[in-house]
Amino acid sequence: DARVTQTPRHKVTEMGQEVTMRCQPILGHNTVFWYRQTMMQGLELLAYFRNRAPLDDSGMPKDRFSAEMPDATLATLKIQPSEPRDSAVYFCASGLDVDRMNYGYTFGSGTRLTVV
Amino acid sequence: RKEVEQDPGPFNVPEGATVAFNCTYSNSASQSFFWYRQDCRKEPKLLMSVYSSGNEDGRFTAQLNRASQYISLLIRDSKLSDSATYLCVVNGDTGGFKTIFGAGTRLFVKA
Repeated sequence: DARVTQTPRHKVTEMGQEVTMRCQPILGHNTVFWYRQTMMQGLELLAYFRNRAPLDDSGMPKDRFSAEMPDATLATLKIQPSEPRDSAVYFCASGLDVDRMNYGYTFGSGTRLTVV
Repeated sequence: RKEVEQDPGPFNVPEGATVAFNCTYSNSASQSFFWYRQDCRKEPKLLMSVYSSGNEDGRFTAQLNRASQYISLLIRDSKLSDSATYLCVVNGDTGGFKTIFGAGTRLFVKA
């Protein structure tokens, strides 16, 4: 089965450190999302790319978060500097959008981030 | 009003019960609709797409009512393994094509 691969699976870091999370979308998918999930907030959309172009990053704290797709096989989410409130599970998902329709997204297993 | 709203949970039902979840959406231009399932500490997984004509997959039935802007998920003969959070997902088309997840409804099926 095709899958979305996220690394690392777990990350514990100290406040103030840079954190980089990586995602390999499914080959052929043209849409990539980054979501953050906490118990309190549920799934929050952080960034949304189509054909590697950012479409929506309004949910992302701009001062410390950045998301990029350097190529079609890699999406990155960086936090610099990290803060304890960033502790959450970060999911990447990919899908295929065609003619403004979508056929469902596949999620990676997530990166569980703990900032102490 | 939230763009996608779901029934507040949790739903606690006995095995064998029938349970229904509703989800309303605010964007009448929405075009694609889905139900996802998320198990504890796992990623969401696509359960089923929702079509205008309604669709069924075993014990699961999904329906779409465009006039009233809601979708539903019916689970018949609930199993313990159905215990999870069910997320409603809507793809909208206002100001750009956008996917929105509902907050989810938690289901507990008990023996």
